[in-house]
Amino acid sequence: DVKVTQSSRYLVKRTGEKVFLECVQDMDHENMFWYRQDPGLGLRLIYFSYDVKMKEKGDIPEGYSVSREKKERFSLILESASTNQTSMYLCASSFLQSPYEQYFGPGTRLTVT
Amino acid sequence: GQQLNQSPQSMFIQEGEDVSMNCTSSSIFNTWLWYKQDPGEGPVLLIALYKAGELTSNGRLTAQFGITRKDSFLNISASIPSDVGIYFCAGHPIFYGGSQGNLIFGKGTKLSVKP
Repeated sequence: DVKVTQSSRYLVKRTGEKVFLECVQDMDHENMFWYRQDPGLGLRLIYFSYDVKMKEKGDIPEGYSVSREKKERFSLILESASTNQTSMYLCASSFLQSPYEQYFGPGTRLTVT
Repeated sequence: GQQLNQSPQSMFIQEGEDVSMNCTSSSIFNTWLWYKQDPGEGPVLLIALYKAGELTSNGRLTAQFGITRKDSFLNISASIPSDVGIYFCAGHPIFYGGSQGNLIFGKGTKLSVKP
C-alpha cells in the first residue's frame, strides 16, 4: 500500500513565524504535490515537484516555497505565516507515468493566530 | 479559472439505496478521477478514467467518462453506512496550461445517513 505521511496532524503557529510542513512517501513516486483545502474552495494546488530539486508553481504559490532534496521527501515552507494561511494542507504523490493518480497523506490542519 | 460543477452538494442515503452524483465542466477533459474523503483524512482515489465513454467499476462503485468529455458520473449501488463521506471529482482539462499532474477538483458531494 502507498503510504504518504505528514509530519503533524495539527499545528498552531503565530503570525510572522516560519513554518515547515514535511511530507514523506514510501512508494518511490517521482511526483509530489502540496495542496490546501478550504471550505467552499475545494483543493487547490500550491506547488508540485517531478524530481529532486525540481519544482513548479501551482495555482496559488504566493506566500509559500518548497524544497525537495530527496526523492521521498517534499517540504512546504511558509516564510512568514499569516492568518489567511490557516487551512488544511494535503500532500500527495504519484508516478511520472500516471501523474493524475495521486495518493494523499492525512493532512495537516494549520492554524495561524 | 477552470471550474468543475459537482452535484448534488449533499445528499442523504438510506442503507441499500443507490446513489448518483456527477461533475460537469465547460472545458474538455482528458482525465477524470473520483476520490473519497473521510473526516480528518486525506482523499482516497476510487476510480480513474482516461477515455471518453469509458465505464469502470470498483466494487459497488461505477464511474463513467462522459462522451462529450465534459462530464463524469459516479454511481454507488446498495449503499452501506461506511459510504458516508465527501466524494470529489477531479480532472485534467485538455487545453489546461497547468503542469503535468495538475488536477482541477470539484467542491465535493457530502453523503450522510438519513436520520
